[in-house]
Amino acid sequence: DAGITQSPRHKVTETGTPVTLRCHQTENHRYMYWYRQDPGHGLRLIHYSYGVKDTDKGEVSDGYSVSRSKTEDFLLTLESATSSQTSVYFCATYSGLWDAYTEAFFGQGTRLTVV
Amino acid sequence: AQTVTQSQPEMSVQEAETVTLSCTYDTSENNYYLFWYKQPPSRQMILVIRQEAYKQQNATENRFSVNFQKAAKSFSLKISDSQLGDTAMYFCAFREPLGNEKLTFGTGTRLTIIP
Repeated sequence: DAGITQSPRHKVTETGTPVTLRCHQTENHRYMYWYRQDPGHGLRLIHYSYGVKDTDKGEVSDGYSVSRSKTEDFLLTLESATSSQTSVYFCATYSGLWDAYTEAFFGQGTRLTVV
Repeated sequence: AQTVTQSQPEMSVQEAETVTLSCTYDTSENNYYLFWYKQPPSRQMILVIRQEAYKQQNATENRFSVNFQKAAKSFSLKISDSQLGDTAMYFCAFREPLGNEKLTFGTGTRLTIIP
């Protein structure tokens, strides 16, 4: 299994509080992604990173920020959590090697509840 | 922006039968990569099968095969001799070509195998 660890695995937080989710990888993959999974919406891309300090927005980036100060860590921050951000969050990584048969690997997911 | 559409939110089939899950996508690119991921109740994302767009031959992995129709932008998954362990959510995914590497998912199909 790919070495991708998300923390925490579960979190309950109050509306208006800041929250940071961490994704840690031991694969030295270049690309890292943050998705949220909601019923009826599948996995939607929040932000992704294509290298240290290089990030870009996905389709649902409002209310989220990210940082990547080193290859192995990709942090997702909810500056002021809202109930609409209650979701399951997945981190994924991809090597970026020029090989079509290199798929993305996923963490175990973080269930975040905003009350 | 690339989009991925899975038009079957739920499907069910008797054990040992064959089932086909549909996926269509929209892109202006000529080369790209397509994937089917399985998500069992454990929430783990598991790669089922992958296809590179410039390869004409349909990918096959044991009981899983795809019908890739590039002109129609269709990428369906066929599961033969279905087993109880195939019960899961199935996501179709599209990866943009080299340089971007965004990974876009469909909304998923919940497949239930009936004993």
